[in-house]
Amino acid sequence: NAGVMQNPRHLVRRRGQEARLRCSPMKGHSHVYWYRQLPEEGLKFMVYLQKENIIDESGMPKERFSAEFPKEGPSILRIQQVVRGDSAAYFCASSRGVAAFWEADTQYFGPGTRLTVL
Amino acid sequence: AQSVTQPDIHITVSEGASLELRCNYSYGATPYLFWYVQSPGQGLQLLLKYFSGDTLVQGIKGFEAEFKRSQSSFNLRKPSVHWSDAAEYFCVLNRDDKIIFGKGTRLHILP
Repeated sequence: NAGVMQNPRHLVRRRGQEARLRCSPMKGHSHVYWYRQLPEEGLKFMVYLQKENIIDESGMPKERFSAEFPKEGPSILRIQQVVRGDSAAYFCASSRGVAAFWEADTQYFGPGTRLTVL
Repeated sequence: AQSVTQPDIHITVSEGASLELRCNYSYGATPYLFWYVQSPGQGLQLLLKYFSGDTLVQGIKGFEAEFKRSQSSFNLRKPSVHWSDAAEYFCVLNRDDKIIFGKGTRLHILP
């Protein structure tokens, strides 16, 4: 049973380029979460998606960042016109989703993508 | 305000010694709490979780955690650490689409 997969594991971009980070959830999981880990800081929630829907994007920067989770294929976190401050590790997690509000939904994390902006 | 606090940024213990990593939370209802471990160069791995019921939770790799409502704590413990336990540990609150991470505690092991 493959876990959450992220690619690439390492991504180097020059300032002004675009970065695309991909996340394939675990089999049977329809919920995807993206997190950013900045140096010396904890993980910070960015966005929560279900298939074809953005549920919560309260942690996403207002500009240059976008995320999608299409009906087919992986979830994509897209960063346009990258700047040095975007250098970080980006983690994706997936979960099954729960049928009732009182149930907890465990997230399983991928290995992360380390983005370096030169 | 809803929050998760890990008061210790770094902890150093000797191999074979016992370990306790602290986690305090602030949340209006019963929280769902998790401990994750991040080893160097790897993604996060779930160690254990608490939803309800028995307040002492057993996890993988010999870890356990105890939920104490009166102290708003969910401390992680291990009776005897191994060198391979050196990593960063995150306490996480996840309920009602709220996901709140602690800043993490980095564990160093002395030989």
